[in-house]
Amino acid sequence: AQTVTQSQPEMSVQEAETVTLSCTYDTSESDYYLFWYKQPPSRQMILVIRQEAYKQQNATENRFSVNFQKAAKSFSLKISDSQLGDAAMYFCAYRSRSNFGNEKLTFGTGTRLTIIP
Amino acid sequence: DAGITQSPRHKVTETGTPVTLRCHQTENHRYMYWYRQDPGHGLRLIHYSYGVKDTDKGEVSDGYSVSRSKTEDFLLTLESATSSQTSVYFCAIRHRDTENTEAFFGQGTRLTVV
Repeated sequence: AQTVTQSQPEMSVQEAETVTLSCTYDTSESDYYLFWYKQPPSRQMILVIRQEAYKQQNATENRFSVNFQKAAKSFSLKISDSQLGDAAMYFCAYRSRSNFGNEKLTFGTGTRLTIIP
Repeated sequence: DAGITQSPRHKVTETGTPVTLRCHQTENHRYMYWYRQDPGHGLRLIHYSYGVKDTDKGEVSDGYSVSRSKTEDFLLTLESATSSQTSVYFCAIRHRDTENTEAFFGQGTRLTVV
């Protein structure tokens, strides 16, 4: 079974600075997806970024980028120019890729990010 | 917005009573999921469905049952609620246009069992 580990329960960063959230995972599969979800105080789960394991290029979405190290099974999220609205719980998630379509997401325990004005 | 509605949004119930949570979607997605979120555990899968009347267990299915008699509705039932089932429950769907990628989530239901 796959596992996802987020070793930083809490992080904080000064507004406008850069912060990196860590995520490692364990799998025996070679093809899969990785995701970062954001959960603000509203409780809504919002997809931040996704990475396909077969792609070597790291995904980016505006101020959000990932550092995907497949051999090390590491998938960190970098937030540049941090903004007050980035304050949230961030979850790393893993999903197998197959032709069946019913694969489940496996989540890490989350990192609570605080933005310091 | 993938057209997901969870009801109720909040509920307080007594130990031993049955509770049903509803997830309703408007876009004819095949795959639907129920997760629970607890501090220190992230989100954990309870049950999922890959079509009408097709369901399967997740990692924390004990004490829960599900039903999907229509594509648009996925019901989660706690047959006899216990305090350990106090949690925030999320429904998720797999988007029709991105069948092999991300899931979209409802707004969650906070359930308190007293």
